[in-house]
Amino acid sequence: QVQLQQSGPGLAQPSETLSLTCAISGDSVSSKSVAWNWIRQSPSRGLEWLGRTYYRSKWYNEYALSVKSRITINPDTSKNHFSLHLNSVTPEDTAVYYCAREEGRKFDYWGQGTRVTVSS
Amino acid sequence: EVVMTQSPATLSVSPGERATLSCRASQSIDSDLAWYQQRPGQAPRLLISGASTRATGIPARFSGSGSGTEFTLTISSLQSEDFAVYYCHHYKDWTGYTFGQGTKLEFK
Repeated sequence: QVQLQQSGPGLAQPSETLSLTCAISGDSVSSKSVAWNWIRQSPSRGLEWLGRTYYRSKWYNEYALSVKSRITINPDTSKNHFSLHLNSVTPEDTAVYYCAREEGRKFDYWGQGTRVTVSS
Repeated sequence: EVVMTQSPATLSVSPGERATLSCRASQSIDSDLAWYQQRPGQAPRLLISGASTRATGIPARFSGSGSGTEFTLTISSLQSEDFAVYYCHHYKDWTGYTFGQGTKLEFK
């Protein structure tokens, strides 16, 4: 059974970097048949896909155009987790952030969600 | 970008009744559509993929249909645990995944 456990702070300062981690159990971040995603949800934007990382003999990252200049998703094979870094945050980045496994382009397993507020 | 539009925004139904939720794509996405259920305080849960294939463990009262631009999620006999928000999601092309804005299924 795949489980995704998120960790990270619930508060970020404006203009700084929001960082979250998603620990994987029951699968591998290096699996060649899935991808690992970050998705956020807010009342104003609904569900918004942010980006993904996946391994297919080498690592790939793909990001939503809306955050492409500010986002990095990094896999960590030694810890079997992946992380989200979103820099230069503003109050508009306030949302619940989810990590999710993507298999066949569907999100079949999700983390529990982390509510992040951007405020000074 | 493919825009997904769900209707209605809110649907009021009594337990035991049938609920029909709609999702429209701004251009053809063949059958590359999934449905998710989100209960309050929880992450979304995959219900349907390929427009009509139930995910593992999803009860048979949930069914999906449609192709191209028009899709439907039907819940045949509503149970109390089915009152939630439902989202459609297309994965036709991967220039960035998009979701519908959701339909809230509420108790009548």
